[in-house]
Amino acid sequence: DIQMTQSPASLSASLGETVTIQCRASEDIYSGLAWYQQKPGKSPQLLIYGASSLQDGVPSRFSGSGSGTQYSLKISSMQTEDEGVYFCQQGLKYPNTFGAGTKLELK
Amino acid sequence: EVQLAESGGGLVQPGRSLKLSCAASGFTFSDYYMAWVRQAPTKGLEWVASISYDGGSTYYRDSVKGRFTISRDNAKSSLYLQMDSLRSEDTATYYCTTVGYSSYIFPYWYFDFWGPGTMVTVSS
Repeated sequence: DIQMTQSPASLSASLGETVTIQCRASEDIYSGLAWYQQKPGKSPQLLIYGASSLQDGVPSRFSGSGSGTQYSLKISSMQTEDEGVYFCQQGLKYPNTFGAGTKLELK
Repeated sequence: EVQLAESGGGLVQPGRSLKLSCAASGFTFSDYYMAWVRQAPTKGLEWVASISYDGGSTYYRDSVKGRFTISRDNAKSSLYLQMDSLRSEDTATYYCTTVGYSSYIFPYWYFDFWGPGTMVTVSS
């Protein structure tokens, strides 16, 4: 199975601050990476697919980048509503696997 | 608007069975692969199973292979998960999702719409 390792496990950011979350795959996943946001008590929501494609309706302050085994999610200006847990997921091979999550809080 | 609504969760004893259902609306159900993804309490996300447009192809994680069966009824826009021989480690919230597909160098899959989930607790 492809292992997905996210870092950091948690972080806090101030309003307007730029936030970056990293995701490393155990092998090349050829940009087959998605990012999700999950708020407490809610189901996950797709933010980014194909490493850098923004899902319809997602604010443009979210962006994704990377290739090979290294990927990142950037929030260009932290907002209150961005608090939650962020997960990466590889969709290249079965079983599709997720990172353990990064908890983002407002400082 | 895409809507997914899971049902069928509950408390069940180890070794027993449970069948989850997912009612879909707001999109052409037969145009999408579908999947179940679960999340144990305070844990991360875990893909469980996926099914092709017409149900002809199914995929499972190893830990549920032979115990769980994913199926669909396109006439009813419904997805199902039959869970047999349940274990305590199957305790989780189960989400029904649509599966998006794209390709860059190789094809890849992602989960674009999610239902609110249904909780399954396996305990004696």
